[in-house]
Amino acid sequence: AQSVAQPEDQVNVAEGNPLTVKCTYSVSGNPYLFWYVQYPNRGLQFLLKYITGDNLVKGSYGFEAEFNKSQTSFHLKKPSALVSDSALYFCAVGGARGDYKLSFGAGTTVTVRA
Amino acid sequence: GAGVSQSPSNKVTEKGKDVELRCDPISGHTALYWYRQSLGQGLEFLIYFQGNSAPDKSGLPSDRFSAERTGGSVSTLTIQRTQQEDSAVYLCASSPVTGAKNIQYFGAGTRLSVL
Repeated sequence: AQSVAQPEDQVNVAEGNPLTVKCTYSVSGNPYLFWYVQYPNRGLQFLLKYITGDNLVKGSYGFEAEFNKSQTSFHLKKPSALVSDSALYFCAVGGARGDYKLSFGAGTTVTVRA
Repeated sequence: GAGVSQSPSNKVTEKGKDVELRCDPISGHTALYWYRQSLGQGLEFLIYFQGNSAPDKSGLPSDRFSAERTGGSVSTLTIQRTQQEDSAVYLCASSPVTGAKNIQYFGAGTRLSVL
């Protein structure tokens, strides 16, 4: 079995400030973790993933995420947010034994104010 | 095209009517997924196709929902006797190979409104 939780429905930050979007997961095997972003009226777009290796993963548009096995977390971060980062962010987990699907969180709406 | 293409982009229908939603995956991608995105909720897995293998239909919410994939490429999701609770955005994604490790590439979705 596998599941992911995004505890915050919304995150609001000022432009130039650090941005963090939280994600915790549960999976029976080794986790495969993803972040996707969705802009209005668009499909989801891949940002980054963790499969194995370094716990700190760098992705598109200056985003990064840190895999923390002990806390079962995979928080998305950006050191300096831009107004254009305003979007809906989804965390996803896969890797449950015998399952090839991803399970997605409910999403976190990020608003970056100028 | 370069990406996953879905049509129509918007569909308004009356309760009880049947609808067909189309997905054209990225050329060469063998894996194809359908999801449903309801307001305020995450993505709900519906069905998965992988090459010539039998599809995984475990996420289909009722027998009113069905999908097929012809020739290992284009896929059609059919909803029969639509209900108001079927209103949602239906997203299609494709991936070069099967497996949860692989990036999924999403289309822009079909927004279905059942009146």
